[in-house]
Amino acid sequence: DQQVKQNSPSLSVQEGRISILNCDYTNSMFDYFLWYKKYPAEGPTFLISISSIKDKNEDGRFTVFLNKSAKHLSLHIVPSQPGDSAVYFCAAQTGSYQLTFGKGTKLSVIP
Amino acid sequence: GAGVSQTPSNKVTEKGKYVELRCDPISGHTALYWYRQSLGQGPEFLIYFQGTGAADDSGLPNDRFFAVRPEGSVSTLKIQRTERGDSAVYLCASSHVRNEQFFGPGTRLTVL
Repeated sequence: DQQVKQNSPSLSVQEGRISILNCDYTNSMFDYFLWYKKYPAEGPTFLISISSIKDKNEDGRFTVFLNKSAKHLSLHIVPSQPGDSAVYFCAAQTGSYQLTFGKGTKLSVIP
Repeated sequence: GAGVSQTPSNKVTEKGKYVELRCDPISGHTALYWYRQSLGQGPEFLIYFQGTGAADDSGLPNDRFFAVRPEGSVSTLKIQRTERGDSAVYLCASSHVRNEQFFGPGTRLTVL
């Protein structure tokens, strides 16, 4: 029973365009959400996060949107760059400290 | 500053053997986490330490898995009587505050 779902295993985007990665969750107790980026043979790297009391958080080219009623969040990258090509994981937390991850979406940014 | 380090980076063992995986967290981080990532999956939580004590070990799959953090810094994940299904990348993370966890590069364990 997956509590965090990333339904798109892969996404290809042209350089300079917007990348939109989606994530759905089922557990209404989640109160903090994070996006991690992972390159091959490396550990996940923290990218951006959002608290459940907000609906948007922005950091440079990266923006995360949260729709609590739909239990949906998305990561927008604009403009996309070839160096953004990686696997992106959505993760969620409840009051406990453990992170619950989705399966990831592999983003390919085409020059 | 130095990030989270994990040793070894790769470990190949035979079914039934005992293995130890080591994690050095970021200096000053009181919280330490172990996750396991199987092929095509996201990381799955195993255990969380706050200081020296295991605050939550609900993710350990069975009693063959055990972890320690005796001095509140370095942690060792121990797996007894390894099985082929234990093959995965074992990730360690540490944090200072509740939310952002910083991950190491992982140890790839292969059980033949």
